[in-house]
Amino acid sequence: EVQLLESGGGLVQPGGSLRLSCAASGFTFSSYAMSWVRQAPGKGLEWVSAISGSGGSTYYSDSVKGRFTISRDNSKNTLYLQMNSLRAEDTAVYYCARGPSSSWSRVRADVWGRGTTVTVSS
Amino acid sequence: DIQMTQSPSSLSASVGDRVTITCRASQSISTYLNWYQQKPGKAPKLLIYAASTLQSGVPSRFSGSGSGTDFTLTISSLQPEDFATYYCQQSYSTPYSFGQGTKLEIK
Repeated sequence: EVQLLESGGGLVQPGGSLRLSCAASGFTFSSYAMSWVRQAPGKGLEWVSAISGSGGSTYYSDSVKGRFTISRDNSKNTLYLQMNSLRAEDTAVYYCARGPSSSWSRVRADVWGRGTTVTVSS
Repeated sequence: DIQMTQSPSSLSASVGDRVTITCRASQSISTYLNWYQQKPGKAPKLLIYAASTLQSGVPSRFSGSGSGTDFTLTISSLQPEDFATYYCQQSYSTPYSFGQGTKLEIK
């Protein structure tokens, strides 16, 4: 069974850092682009970041560029999101999602994790 | 950036009804349009991609159409499990944007 399981969320103060992880199983992880999509409380969806299957190409939304870093360890079937300089507006549920191919270009999310909650507050 | 606008924002309907949700892009996106369903407290689920292709395992009562800037999601006969929020998403160019969502409620 194809599964994505996020972890690492929690409460952090403004300006702080957090690293999210997403453990993948049930498919050949390195063959698929992976993404992080977030949803602020009561709000819609925002595509935050994406990474190619090899890890050689990445994408960031303007709202997180320069503060967040996406990476992956294909030997561990794990996706990461390092979040620095966190702001209140980063408060959201963060979902890990799989793309249908190894490229993040023109990506859609065909498999989603359950999400992990990040709260930025003093 | 491409803006995605869904209408209506909310909709009340009954089991068995035929329902249509519209998504409009601020510029042409060819058929790079995807539809997701989200139930409260759950992750979104991909229903339709490339405007009209049904994702594996999705019931055939769901269908999508459109190209360019105007797209529709149709549910031919609403079932109790279909009451949820629906989002469109363009994958034509970055930033990959979503519509604001359409909440489908029981009448």
